[in-house]
Amino acid sequence: DSGVTQTPKHLITATGQRVTLRCSPRSGDLSVYWYQQSLDQGLQFLIQYYNGEERAKGNILERFSAQQFPDLHSELNLSSLELGDSALYFCASSFGPGPMNTEAFFGQGTRLTVV
Amino acid sequence: QQQVKQSPQSLIVQKGGISIINCAYENTAFDYFPWYQQFPGKGPALLIAIRPDVSEKKEGRFTISFNKSAKQFSLHIMDSQPGDSATYFCAASRTSGSRLTFGEGTQLTVNP
Repeated sequence: DSGVTQTPKHLITATGQRVTLRCSPRSGDLSVYWYQQSLDQGLQFLIQYYNGEERAKGNILERFSAQQFPDLHSELNLSSLELGDSALYFCASSFGPGPMNTEAFFGQGTRLTVV
Repeated sequence: QQQVKQSPQSLIVQKGGISIINCAYENTAFDYFPWYQQFPGKGPALLIAIRPDVSEKKEGRFTISFNKSAKQFSLHIMDSQPGDSATYFCAASRTSGSRLTFGEGTQLTVNP
């Protein structure tokens, strides 16, 4: 168990809908990262938050957004869903960045199926 | 410049054999190179990591070899076991606290 909790584990929704994925980082970790894993694209970085602030952005679609709350949990919002958004979405957490940082630990993921 | 190339895509090894997975990177700003192991239905789990100030790091049966001049690094799994059958990802980042750029993954099968 990595200590990173993601909910829900599975999600099935229709095209055009909006969903929210939730992530609770490991105790003490301040950074949260979101990754998308699909068969043809591998593991792709979406966005990073550090202590409530957006720190880095990857190839995240404009239809997607995220935030990190004061209790450090994070939510990834996916809207106007398309069939191609079907994928595994992983959250990872680490203490840093910074000199006291730890490695990134991944949650079990949320499998999103858009039908 | 952000890419990490990984090979082979799949690998079949006999029990007790050596599994070797290779990665190459382009961005010379990368200074942290972890390997992750992923079982079906699970999230990637950190296996071993190296920084470019050393050429090799060993943890149990797992060894990372790092060649800074060639911008390449590899994972060696000694005495491979059926329980090692999983997908392995190499990755790179600027520090251990920033975004990871992943390789495409290698599906390892260790036959009994």
